[in-house]
Amino acid sequence: AQRVTQPEKLLSVFKGAPVELKCNYSYSGSPELFWYVQYSRQRLQLLLRHISRESIKGFTADLNKGETSFHLKKPFAQEEDSAMYYCALSNAGGTSYGKLTFGQGTILTVHP
Amino acid sequence: KAGVTQTPRYLIKTRGQQVTLSCSPISGHRSVSWYQQTPGQGLQFLFEYFSETQRNKGNFPGRFSGRQFSNSRSEMNVSTLELGDSALYLCASSVALSYNEQFFGPGTRLTVL
Repeated sequence: AQRVTQPEKLLSVFKGAPVELKCNYSYSGSPELFWYVQYSRQRLQLLLRHISRESIKGFTADLNKGETSFHLKKPFAQEEDSAMYYCALSNAGGTSYGKLTFGQGTILTVHP
Repeated sequence: KAGVTQTPRYLIKTRGQQVTLSCSPISGHRSVSWYQQTPGQGLQFLFEYFSETQRNKGNFPGRFSGRQFSNSRSEMNVSTLELGDSALYLCASSVALSYNEQFFGPGTRLTVL
């Protein structure tokens, strides 16, 4: 069974401080990992995926297969980063393309 | 391109009734997935349709069903509604290629009284 764990429900930081949102997963196959974000009154949207190794809005995430983690990091948080963040997992190369398993989400609040 | 649309946006039903929710994917997207979002359980996968066939199914009772039409639009149906079915139902579409980037709709808020 696949499982995604986000240990922090709430995370508060001050503007300009580094931020790290934790995500751990359990999956026996080859996973694809994603971070989705939901800003206030907006729909859920993809922030980044591990396969592309890009930096979006200053956020990066590295897949660590040894520690089964995919933590989201940003060196200098901005107030507009305040949102709900979800880590999600999918099966890579299989037939489960349409299925994402989500963590419980972390509400990030960036204070001025 | 227009985004994923869902109708209706809000729905109030009573226990025992049934409900049908609709989802129109982004043009060209052939895969449609449905999720239930609740404060207690978070986002849970319901099922996924691709080319009018259910390709994946989550752990929900048989009261939850869906279908996909030839134009990729999808509907989900919940029969014999229970209070616990109150949730935000999200639909997502993807091109279903080698990776699984899904684009989400705004959701349908279902309240069961």
